[in-house]
Amino acid sequence: ILNVEQSPQSLHVQEGDSTNFTCSFPSSNFYALHWYRWETAKSPEALFVMTLNGDEKKKGRISATLNTKEGYSYLYIKGSQPEDSATYLCAFLDSARQLTFGSGTQLTVLP
Amino acid sequence: DAMVIQNPRYQVTQFGKPVTLSCSQTLNHNVMYWYQQKSSQAPKLLFHYYDKDFNNEADTPDNFQSRRPNTSFCFLDIRSPGLGDAAMYLCATTRGHTAGNQPQHFGDGTRLSIL
Repeated sequence: ILNVEQSPQSLHVQEGDSTNFTCSFPSSNFYALHWYRWETAKSPEALFVMTLNGDEKKKGRISATLNTKEGYSYLYIKGSQPEDSATYLCAFLDSARQLTFGSGTQLTVLP
Repeated sequence: DAMVIQNPRYQVTQFGKPVTLSCSQTLNHNVMYWYQQKSSQAPKLLFHYYDKDFNNEADTPDNFQSRRPNTSFCFLDIRSPGLGDAAMYLCATTRGHTAGNQPQHFGDGTRLSIL
């Protein structure tokens, strides 16, 4: 069983604050790292798929970095808005093409 | 427009009474997945279809079965639901096996409750 850990488990921030959270995964047999945003009553939506060590991806106010050698990825949200409130899931894809999800970071942005 | 559609959104069934959850997709993706997610836990892969080839995860209970009559539809059958089967069930699709640059496309999920 692969260990994919996300921290913190939950997070409350004020509107306008910037925030970040972490996904840790095995540093061996890496193939890709996925980030998804899951809003309540909606389907998980893909944010980023990252494949190369040192990758940085950006989508609006959200960005992510990847360190495959040490086995972590950070997701950053700049100037959080209430509509950013969601659970953010990361998923580790290994060389056998097995996708293992973390349990997510639940973000609440307070107006 | 939703491209992966799960029905129903909420399902209540009685302990031991068979239940079927459905998933349809308009993406023409050849791989379909079923995940189980319990409260505050990671989504857990139950099984997936690569075209018509069924792939069961080793720890998926025998109680859980799946059918894929065609590319667009996939069903999850729970033969005798127990209280521990109450969860959110997510369907997802990809084109080809999950390659490094392809995310999964999810439905809204079906939340199953057992009385």
